[in-house]
Amino acid sequence: GIQVEQSPPDLILQEGANSTLRCNFSDSVNNLQWFHQNPWGQLINLFYIPSGTKQNGRLSATTVATERYSLLYISSSQTTDSGVYFCAVTSGSRLTFGEGTQLTVNP
Amino acid sequence: EAQVTQNPRYLITVTGKKLTVTCSQNMNHEYMSWYRQDPGLGLRQIYYSMNVEVTDKGDVPEGYKVSRKEKRNFPLILESPSPNQTSLYFCASSPGQGVGPQHFGDGTRLSIL
Repeated sequence: GIQVEQSPPDLILQEGANSTLRCNFSDSVNNLQWFHQNPWGQLINLFYIPSGTKQNGRLSATTVATERYSLLYISSSQTTDSGVYFCAVTSGSRLTFGEGTQLTVNP
Repeated sequence: EAQVTQNPRYLITVTGKKLTVTCSQNMNHEYMSWYRQDPGLGLRQIYYSMNVEVTDKGDVPEGYKVSRKEKRNFPLILESPSPNQTSLYFCASSPGQGVGPQHFGDGTRLSIL
């Protein structure tokens, strides 16, 4: 099946810093999504981004489908950004998740 | 408010006692699915449904059953739960298979003793 790799696995930032999270996938996909799992365990959909660039406030994402990667940018990070960020791709009928990036933003 | 609702949120039970986790969505979505999340193993798909009366196995279907009699509901059934099914479970829905963003429920934490 398709492989989804995220980097870095862990990231610690000071409040106000910027960061880039990466997602690589091993085969063609129908779409790609980014999720944030907050400390309460809830999974929040951040972006549905099969290709191109989208922005939502301090967050933006870019997917280059032809090169099989996606990037999630977090600017001016806040403590509420802490949690795990997952990339997930749909190939055929399956949604496959990466292992996530654990982000900690310290005040 | 558009949402996916799972119940119960928490359950502690014993081996072999049948249980059902309900899932309901109010967005008229065609596609629904179940996942389990385990430390070190990430999120894995259990079953999915592309439409009413159409279901199929995901990556880890053993020990689970599902049904899709109505578009809005997609219950997960554990006929004879075992301790290795202790996990955090999520239900999700989207407009279609591979179409549109997936919306997740808040999760159900199951402990099988």
